[in-house]
Amino acid sequence: GEQVEQRPPHLSVREGDSAVITCTYTDPNSYYFFWYKQEPGASLQLLMKVFSSTEINEGQGFTVLLNKKDKRLSLNLTAAHPGDSAAYFCAVSPNAYKVIFGKGTHLHVLP
Amino acid sequence: NSKVIQTPRYLVKGQGQKAKMRCIPEKGHPVVFWYQQNKNNEFKFLINFQNQEVLQQIDMTEKRFSAECPSNSPCSLEIQSSEAGDSALYLCASSLQQGASAETLYFGSGTRLTVL
Repeated sequence: GEQVEQRPPHLSVREGDSAVITCTYTDPNSYYFFWYKQEPGASLQLLMKVFSSTEINEGQGFTVLLNKKDKRLSLNLTAAHPGDSAAYFCAVSPNAYKVIFGKGTHLHVLP
Repeated sequence: NSKVIQTPRYLVKGQGQKAKMRCIPEKGHPVVFWYQQNKNNEFKFLINFQNQEVLQQIDMTEKRFSAECPSNSPCSLEIQSSEAGDSALYLCASSLQQGASAETLYFGSGTRLTVL
């Protein structure tokens, strides 16, 4: 079945620097992609939902890139700030009822 | 902010005891998922429902868990006989499913189960 590999597991950056988190997936039929943020003790918060037809998606302070050829999804926080410190999870969905999560990246933004 | 409500927030049980947790999905969301997130942050899919019907579940859930989503009542997930390895964060998520496209999962805050 579908496998999702997320890298790196831990990431420390200085405030103002960029932070890049990458997920690779195996199922070429995956159509929907998600990035979630989980702060300590809190629920998962949706950052962005990406359709396979769109390669570049911009949010507030971050960009999501989808490379279908390489089966790679990345989250790029352009200028990280301490409030971005959290766990980030990618999720890949080949259909309506199946969602596979990456193992997460713990991001620590140093002031 | 997610409107998926999970109770209790924390649950402590002894081995062999039943452990029951509940979830109220977001209003109007017919699809409910349960995931187990372990201490390594790994998500394990347990079961999902569409309205009151089970869509998919893993073998472990079928054998050791009891889960339901009755109409007009919270969904529930119950471990029949808790084991130490069941200690984890149990996350409930709901989605507004329309056709075959994947919809966003909206998560509750989870129930953290500790089995002593």
